Amino acid sequence: DAKTTQPTSMDCAEGRAANLPCNHSTISGNEYVYWYRQIHSQGPQYIIHGLKNNETNEMASLIITEDRKSSTLILPHATLRDTAVYYCIAISSNTGKLIFGQGTTLQVKP
Amino acid sequence: DTAVSQTPKYLVTQMGNDKSIKCEQNLGHDTMYWYKQDSKKFLKIMFSYNNKELIINETVPNRFSPKSPDKAHLNLHINSLELGDSAVYFCASSQRGQVGTKLFFGSGTQLSVL
Repeated sequence: DAKTTQPTSMDCAEGRAANLPCNHSTISGNEYVYWYRQIHSQGPQYIIHGLKNNETNEMASLIITEDRKSSTLILPHATLRDTAVYYCIAISSNTGKLIFGQGTTLQVKP
Repeated sequence: DTAVSQTPKYLVTQMGNDKSIKCEQNLGHDTMYWYKQDSKKFLKIMFSYNNKELIINETVPNRFSPKSPDKAHLNLHINSLELGDSAVYFCASSQRGQVGTKLFFGSGTQLSVL
């Protein structure tokens, strides 16, 4: 599974879009990009995933570059409840072996 | 209804004791997992069961023994607890065969070994 690199921490103003980058330059053709988040003292929560195309759901949007070497998770209108550690994971489609890195600690400020 | 539930939420025990953590999922998934989150907050997979069959077993000490009586339950038994076993243990489930690996996690069991 490809290694991912994320900034250690980011701040975002409440109501603004939060853009969380992730580098996965060694990603292979059958590996998806997954995003999870972990709010303090809770279990990780699935956010979104994609292979090549940009994806959007009720929680977030995922923008994947054409060469698939990097991606950005966008929370369009961040709230205080979005403060969490966000994990970007590159994984092949059929394995359950998620490997979590350090993630990005997003602090949403009033 | 809680999708993935773990009990107990907190577990405080003495070194050398044996303890169990229970996990149940009502999502109809066929795959369940145990993850461990240490004090540095790194999440690492320990085990995975698919339809009661062990499919992932990371280098975990033999003192840890998962048991899956049916596909909705995956319990974790720990023998001879050590100080280093103190961590938060998360259970998760997913449905294999579907595109991707969307895991649903429980709220965790905080184990403190004194």
